[in-house]
Amino acid sequence: EPEVTQTPSHQVTQMGQEVILRCVPISNHLYFYWYRQILGQKVEFLVSFYNNEISEKSEIFDDQFSVERPDGSNFTLKIRSTKLEDSAMYFCASRERGLNTGELFFGEGSRLTVL
Amino acid sequence: AQKITQTQPGMFVQEKEAVTLDCTYDTSDPSYGLFWYKQPSSGEMIFLIYQGSYDQQNATEGRYSLNFQKARKSANLVISASQLGDSAMYFCASQTGTGFQKLVFGTGTRLLVSP
Repeated sequence: EPEVTQTPSHQVTQMGQEVILRCVPISNHLYFYWYRQILGQKVEFLVSFYNNEISEKSEIFDDQFSVERPDGSNFTLKIRSTKLEDSAMYFCASRERGLNTGELFFGEGSRLTVL
Repeated sequence: AQKITQTQPGMFVQEKEAVTLDCTYDTSDPSYGLFWYKQPSSGEMIFLIYQGSYDQQNATEGRYSLNFQKARKSANLVISASQLGDSAMYFCASQTGTGFQKLVFGTGTRLLVSP
């Protein structure tokens, strides 16, 4: 069964460092998302991406965050200068089409710990 | 704006019994979708079931069914014949409109199934 894959599964970084989280969505999917989940809290939307551009972003997704799809397969989330409060599980998700019936497939997450 | 409310922080059920996890939603958009995801202790998000606002019948997927009461804006998840492997966090989520809009998640319900 096709799946969304994310790397790394866990990354520990020092405050102020840049972090890149990588995702390989399912191959025929067109819509891509990043969500985050701070430990013990609900899953929060960060950004959606379609046709090589951001279609929506949340208040969390400030200038420290960026996304790109450099080679048509990888979908990356970059945090320019990490803060302690960026520590969370980051989920990549993708869906095949932009209809309500399209299941949103999640990756297994990348746990980011900022020290 | 969308809002999902899950009022049960934790639920306990005995193996083989049925359990209902509550979810209410708030949206002014006439077109929306409701989702349930399972998050085991390993952290991944597993899609369980989807209900569209225009669907005439309640969604079912194996042991999962969604008790959709549109007038009450509720979308409760019913798990029949609980199994030990059902112990996990369960999140209700909504998406409004058609297209690739984001999912908005509730705070989740932790389900514990005992032998």
